[in-house]
Amino acid sequence: GAVVSQHPSRVICKSGTSVKIECRSLDFQATTMFWYRQFPKQSLMLMATSNEGSKATYEQGVEKDKFLINHASLTLSTLTVTSAHPEDSSFYICSARDRGGNHEQYFGPGTRLTVT
Amino acid sequence: DAKTTQPPSMDCAEGRAANLPCNHSTISGNEYVYWYRQIHSQGPQYIIHGLKNNETNEMASLIITEDRKSSTLILPHATLRDTAVYYCIVRGQAGTALIFGKGTTLSVSS
Repeated sequence: GAVVSQHPSRVICKSGTSVKIECRSLDFQATTMFWYRQFPKQSLMLMATSNEGSKATYEQGVEKDKFLINHASLTLSTLTVTSAHPEDSSFYICSARDRGGNHEQYFGPGTRLTVT
Repeated sequence: DAKTTQPPSMDCAEGRAANLPCNHSTISGNEYVYWYRQIHSQGPQYIIHGLKNNETNEMASLIITEDRKSSTLILPHATLRDTAVYYCIVRGQAGTALIFGKGTTLSVSS
């Protein structure tokens, strides 16, 4: 099946620094990628939808200047958490929709971000 | 997309069938029912999806009622590795994001 990877799998950073998370579709092209955030014991919350070559669409309440999303190619989207604070500590998960248009949305393994 | 309702938790003995219900009474004609699961600290895993007919794959079976207002995911022989949070999601247009509810935490015990 289709594989989505994320890098890094876990990262610890100091408050005020920026962190970049990569999401790659390994064996398919993804015109659309999605970014989710999950706090402990909660469900996944959609943060933004990223389309290749265009600006991301952010969900209500998600700061676009804090969570920078770039989808520069059909296999790579990046999420940069700028000026991270402890409350940004969370599990960040990306998913990608196959350009071929089947119904499945493939998820990455997630990135655990801890801001100290 | 229609809202879904699932029980917060269920228990199942290893080797027995796990039947996870989902209510989606406001589903519309072009909306599909998807099931995903999330094992602790991992990304969600696709299980199965369907429109109105029952579906079966190597992981599970999906039974959708005739009026499509509810469905049941069946894991025929649950194992300890099936312990996870199971999400039932209704989605119309294929290109849109999956929106997750609270899901059902399935605990399989020996």
